[in-house]
Amino acid sequence: DSGVTQTPKHLITATGQRVTLRCSPRSGDLSVYWYQQSLDQGLQFLIQYYNGEERAKGNILERFSAQQFPDLHSELNLSSLELGDSALYFCASSVTDGNSPLHFGNGTRLTVT
Amino acid sequence: AQKITQTQPGMFVQEKEAVTLDCTYDTSDPSYGLFWYKQPSSGEMIFLIYQGSYDQQNATEGRYSLNFQKARKSANLVISASQLGDSAMYFCAMRVQGAQKLVFGQGTRLTINP
Repeated sequence: DSGVTQTPKHLITATGQRVTLRCSPRSGDLSVYWYQQSLDQGLQFLIQYYNGEERAKGNILERFSAQQFPDLHSELNLSSLELGDSALYFCASSVTDGNSPLHFGNGTRLTVT
Repeated sequence: AQKITQTQPGMFVQEKEAVTLDCTYDTSDPSYGLFWYKQPSSGEMIFLIYQGSYDQQNATEGRYSLNFQKARKSANLVISASQLGDSAMYFCAMRVQGAQKLVFGQGTRLTINP
């Protein structure tokens, strides 16, 4: 158990809808990262927060947004969903921004129909 | 830009044998970290081992060791005495100092045969 909690585990929704994925980092970790894993794109970095502030942005679509709350949990919002958004979404956390490992949650599998 | 290359899409190994999973990386930054993760069929990403670019010795964690050859820019994962439970996807990843994201390779699917 990595200590990172992601909910829900599975999500099935229709095109055009909006969903929210939730992540609680490991106790003591200030950084939260969101990754998308799809068969054709592999593991793609979306966005990172550190202690409530956005630190880095990757290949995140404008339809997607995220935030980290004062209690350090994070949410990833996906809107106007398309079939191609179907993927496994991971949250990861780490202690610092440095070369400490990222500890991943079990992921949320999103299926858009 | 940083890049990770894993050239073995799939590997098949007999149980109890040692296995080496290849990883080469590309960066011009002198300070970086290399990571290996395991992803079983259940989907979770499990951190295995870490090697810093300035570490003098190869990292080891139980049956996992990292064969770090800095001049060749390779960071191969060695699993000794493989077990059936080692069957999974394995990802090599890198983060350079000052960068936020971890860059992943495409992965190697390891299958351990009884």
